[in-house]
Amino acid sequence: SQTIHQWPATLVQPVGSPLSLECTVEGTSNPNLYWYRQAAGRGLQLLFYSVGIGQISSEVPQNLSASRPQDRQFILSSKKLLLSDSGFYLCAWTGARTEAFFGQGTRLTVV
Amino acid sequence: GENVEQHPSTLSVQEGDSAVIKCTYSDSASNYFPWYKQELGKGPQLIIDIRSNVGEKKDQRIAVTLNKTAKHFSLHITETQPEDSAVYFCAAAEDNYGQNFVFGPGTRLSVLP
Repeated sequence: SQTIHQWPATLVQPVGSPLSLECTVEGTSNPNLYWYRQAAGRGLQLLFYSVGIGQISSEVPQNLSASRPQDRQFILSSKKLLLSDSGFYLCAWTGARTEAFFGQGTRLTVV
Repeated sequence: GENVEQHPSTLSVQEGDSAVIKCTYSDSASNYFPWYKQELGKGPQLIIDIRSNVGEKKDQRIAVTLNKTAKHFSLHITETQPEDSAVYFCAAAEDNYGQNFVFGPGTRLSVLP
């Protein structure tokens, strides 16, 4: 069966520090991968998606970047965090069918 | 682009009663409509979905109905239990184009014992 792992679960980082969040998928190949951000009490905002290694599409201009160095690995990064980057970050994947499966999320607090 | 609205934003029901959450979408090209349940501090979990070739789908206590003409779909939970308390999200997408998922803003359901 397929599983998605996302870490860390929580993170507190100072303003101006770098960020790296990692997501890996097991049990499937060539998944579409996604990073979403969820502000407190709000819906899900798509940040990036990837249909293959090295292929990244960005949905919104922002202080973040994404990379896909391997087929089942998706990384969310920032060189310098802003206070506004705080939120709940979710990784997700879709396969041959459209069903999307989410990781457990990372709660990022920028202080 | 697609726009998904969801109502109500909060819903409180007594244990054992039914709960209904409604969503509308704008893009007639959307043909896949999933519902997710998100518990506090966790990622959303897919609980049921429907494709536009059917009008209703049921899985035990939960069901989803779709009206393509009116562009709305609803989640129905019967015999609610306290563990049903969570935030529920609807979404719309064009099948095989997962990057086109658009989520509703969510409904916080509270089931009161």
